[in-house]
Amino acid sequence: AQTVTQSQPEMSVQEAETVTLSCTYDTSESDYYLFWYKQPPSRQMILVIRQEAYKQQNATENRFSVNFQKAAKSFSLKISDSQLGDAAMYFCAYRSAISNDMRFGAGTRLTVKP
Amino acid sequence: DAMVIQNPRYQVTQFGKPVTLSCSQTLNHNVMYWYQQKSSQAPKLLFHYYDKDFNNEADTPDNFQSRRPNTSFCFLDIRSPGLGDAAMYLCATSREGWGLESGELFFGEGSRLTVL
Repeated sequence: AQTVTQSQPEMSVQEAETVTLSCTYDTSESDYYLFWYKQPPSRQMILVIRQEAYKQQNATENRFSVNFQKAAKSFSLKISDSQLGDAAMYFCAYRSAISNDMRFGAGTRLTVKP
Repeated sequence: DAMVIQNPRYQVTQFGKPVTLSCSQTLNHNVMYWYQQKSSQAPKLLFHYYDKDFNNEADTPDNFQSRRPNTSFCFLDIRSPGLGDAAMYLCATSREGWGLESGELFFGEGSRLTVL
């Protein structure tokens, strides 16, 4: 079964600075999706960014970008110009292209300091 | 706006007293999921429906059941809640097929279950 590992339970960043959240995964499949989801306190989980494994180009979404290293099975999230509203739990997630279930990492709690 | 709606947002039940959580969606997505999320932990997949096809995770206790009477609705039934079942229960949907949304899950706000 696929597993997703987030080795940083907590991270903090100064407002306007850049922070990188780490994620590794284990799979024997060649085609899959990777996601970063954000879960603010007491609020619903929302998608931050997604990456298709067949795409070599790293996904970007405004201040959010990923570093996708397929051979290393690594999928880190970089948040640039951090804002107070970025404070949340961030979950890395893996989804196979041939099945419907999504597997989540344990999450990284991000604190943004003013 | 199209969305995933969960009811109730907060549910308090007594040990052993059955409870039903509901999820509705206006996205017309063909896949619906139920996740259990305990405090500061990753969401854990309980089961999902692909259309009417039910897919149970191997480690989901028999105490948890689900129904999907139509595309828009899905229910989570906990037959005899124990203290260990206290958690946030997340409903999510996805659209299967090629396209921009393919693979992405859309989540509801969750139902927080307290077991006394």
